[in-house]
Amino acid sequence: SAVISQKPSRDICQRGTSLTIQCQVDSQVTMMFWYRQQPGQSLTLIATANQGSEATYESGFVIDKFPISRPNLTFSTLTVSNMSPEDSSIYLCSVSRAKEETQYFGPGTRLLVL
Amino acid sequence: EDQVTQSPEALRLQEGESSSLNCSYTVSGLRGLFWYRQDPGKGPEFLFTLYSAGEEKEKERLKATLTKKESFLHITAPKPEDSATYLCAVQGTGGGSNYKLTFGKGTLLTVNP
Repeated sequence: SAVISQKPSRDICQRGTSLTIQCQVDSQVTMMFWYRQQPGQSLTLIATANQGSEATYESGFVIDKFPISRPNLTFSTLTVSNMSPEDSSIYLCSVSRAKEETQYFGPGTRLLVL
Repeated sequence: EDQVTQSPEALRLQEGESSSLNCSYTVSGLRGLFWYRQDPGKGPEFLFTLYSAGEEKEKERLKATLTKKESFLHITAPKPEDSATYLCAVQGTGGGSNYKLTFGKGTLLTVNP
């Protein structure tokens, strides 16, 4: 399986600010995804990060709030914009080598918004 | 819309006391059912993928089985280090985001020595 790192591992932010989370993989992968894990809730897909094109967002998530970049096959960023306390969550990236293969998850970024 | 329900929400076992976790699902065409383990403060760790009813997979004290409506994760003679949250997810072939995983809320397993 791929080695996946995320930065930062945790952060405390003030409401109204933005935070960019990085996801780095040690080898090229086809698919990269961003999930959110809120307390007591299921892991929920935010969007699929597409290399060289706009991300594909799930219902309830919009580009203005969660802009995503994927400049190459090993790196992606998720920005949480204009944060409110409701954005306090764990944000996870996952990757798979091919579309139909298993997704492996990074260690997560723990975000607290005050 | 794909749905996954896991039960129980929490399970406390004594070391050596075998049990099973349940994952019930509805999906418009199953591409795969996945089990992950998540330790506190960490990302989910992949355990198994099951593709079709009747399939079984084993790893150490864990065995996953699949029917057309549910999956079971059997834990035989658990040890304290098996304590974690176990997550079940499905990947369907239906519309919407390709290759999206739909997760249940997980079962928090505690194994006491």
